Amino acid sequence: AQSVSQHNHHVILSEAASLELGCNYSYGGTVNLFWYVQYPGQHLQLLLKYFSGDPLVKGIKGFEAEFIKSKFSFNLRKPSVQWSDTAEYFCAVKGYGNKLVFGAGTILRVKS
Amino acid sequence: GAGVSQSPRYKVAKRGQDVALRCDPISGHVSLFWYQQALGQGPEFLTYFQNEAQLDKSGLPSDRFFAERPEGSVSTLKIQRTQQEDSAVYLCASSFPLYGGVRNEQFFGPGTRLTVL
Repeated sequence: AQSVSQHNHHVILSEAASLELGCNYSYGGTVNLFWYVQYPGQHLQLLLKYFSGDPLVKGIKGFEAEFIKSKFSFNLRKPSVQWSDTAEYFCAVKGYGNKLVFGAGTILRVKS
Repeated sequence: GAGVSQSPRYKVAKRGQDVALRCDPISGHVSLFWYQQALGQGPEFLTYFQNEAQLDKSGLPSDRFFAERPEGSVSTLKIQRTQQEDSAVYLCASSFPLYGGVRNEQFFGPGTRLTVL
């Protein structure tokens, strides 16, 4: 069965700190991986995605993620966070069929 | 409209009541998905349509849950005889699959928050 594990449920950082959110997946087929973000009061939005090719994927707002096949990981990173990055972040893998399988989410709070 | 819309945004139901949640996907999007998001959890897949065909309903938690998309655009998720454990945010997403659906991005609506008393 497909599953996604996100290591931290709550993360608190000061502005300008570096961010790394962990994501591990379990899936036996061709891997398509996603990070979605949900800002307060807004709907889920795609941050970045990996389908194939370069394992380092760059997304919007300075975010990037690295696919490490041997570790079944797809960690999200940002060198310097801003107060506006306060949101909930979800890692997801495309499962059998076309559905997305999500992790439980990580709530990031950035202190100004 | 420009994005996926859902109505109502909030619904309070008494236990045992039937509810209907509506999703308007992005115009032209072939695929439509329903997810359930319980408090503190990530979204969980309920069901998937391609046009009017319901291709996967493996995530529907019980036979009280029913979804339809009769004309291949608007979809309705119906929950009969609601229970307290049905309280959650119900998300709809749509996509226009390319390459047989491999590289499709799902665009999410704002969700309907259902509270069952």
